[in-house]
Amino acid sequence: SQTIHQWPATLVQPVGSPLSLECTVEGTSNPNLYWYRQAAGRGLQLLFYSVGIGQISSEVPQNLSASRPQDRQFILSSKKLLLSDSGFYLCACLFTGFGSKLFFGSGTQLSVL
Amino acid sequence: AQSVTQPDIHITVSEGASLELRCNYSYGATPYLFWYVQSPGQGLQLLLKYFSGDTLVQGIKGFEAEFKRSQSSFNLRKPSVHWSDAAEYFCAVGPANRDDKIIFGKGTRLHILP
Repeated sequence: SQTIHQWPATLVQPVGSPLSLECTVEGTSNPNLYWYRQAAGRGLQLLFYSVGIGQISSEVPQNLSASRPQDRQFILSSKKLLLSDSGFYLCACLFTGFGSKLFFGSGTQLSVL
Repeated sequence: AQSVTQPDIHITVSEGASLELRCNYSYGATPYLFWYVQSPGQGLQLLLKYFSGDTLVQGIKGFEAEFKRSQSSFNLRKPSVHWSDAAEYFCAVGPANRDDKIIFGKGTRLHILP
């Protein structure tokens, strides 16, 4: 069965510090992978998506970046966090068999202070 | 441009009453459609999905949704809500092709009156 591992669950970071959130997927190969952010009281904002290793599409220009070094690994990074980067970050996976569901990780609550 | 609209930010219904959450979409091709539910501090759980075939889709927890192509809508319904249904609900569309995005609406927060 397909599972998504996302960590850490919570993170408190000072402004200006770096960030690395990791997401790994099991039970599938060559999936589409997504990073979403959910700010308090707001909907889900698509940040990045990837259809394959090294292929990243950015939806929102900002100080965040994403990388996909392996087929089932998706990393969200920042060199210097801003206060506005606070939010709930969700990794999601849709594997290539269309007609299957979009799986979500359990999320990372990031607080930038 | 691709978009998903959930026109109701908050909805309040009494326990036992019927529920309908609205979702309208704009998409270049026939999309795949999803409804997700999110409890506070939790991830998203899939309620149901539509890809093709019967336009009335049954999901978990007694929810159903109807795809209406002519209205570009995919409204979520439940005949009788329970207090445990209080949560935020998201409609999502896509991808019709592998390289397409999956886009979410801004969500509808459901409140249940005892």
